[in-house]
Amino acid sequence: GAVVSQHPSWVICKSGTSVKIECRSLDFQATTMFWYRQFPKQSLMLMATSNEGSKATYEQGVEKDKFLINHASLTLSTLTVTSAHPEDSSFYICSARKQGLRFLNTEAFFGQGTRLTVV
Amino acid sequence: RKEVEQDPGPFNVPEGATVAFNCTYSNSASQSFFWYRQDCRKEPKLLMSVYSSGNEDGRFTAQLNRASQYISLLIRDSKLSDSATYLCVVKGGFQKLVFGTGTRLLVSP
Repeated sequence: GAVVSQHPSWVICKSGTSVKIECRSLDFQATTMFWYRQFPKQSLMLMATSNEGSKATYEQGVEKDKFLINHASLTLSTLTVTSAHPEDSSFYICSARKQGLRFLNTEAFFGQGTRLTVV
Repeated sequence: RKEVEQDPGPFNVPEGATVAFNCTYSNSASQSFFWYRQDCRKEPKLLMSVYSSGNEDGRFTAQLNRASQYISLLIRDSKLSDSATYLCVVKGGFQKLVFGTGTRLLVSP
């Protein structure tokens, strides 16, 4: 079946540095990918929608200059957390949808997630 | 009011028990509904889609009540391996998925 690969699975970085997270669709093309963030005991919150070849669409309250998204190809989207701070520590997950005939109920596949810890 | 609401639990049940979760959603225009399973520190994985007519997959039964705007998941003959967090997911505008906070299930021997 379709697989979405996310890398790295965990990262620890110093406050003020930047971290790049990659999300790849391995056996299908994804014109749209989604980036989520999940804090402990909370639900996944959509941060932004990544569109291949165009600018990402950010959800309200998400700083586009802090969370840079690049979707340069049909199989790769990247999220860069710039000038990371301890409050950015969270579980970041990407998702891509494989489009099929029944588009409305097309399954969304998730990457393995990246656990970011900023110290 | 949250777009998707679930009882966070935890639901503690013995092996073999039947357990049911409910989820309510606020957007009456929502068209697609799903149950996902998430294990601790892992990504969510699709358990089943929820159709208007209801659907069953082995020990799992999902139902949708559009009039009352709620979705249910029934698990029969619970296994230890069913212990996880079950996420109610609603597809909103622009194909966005809106997640509930999840209901935690603990199945004990």
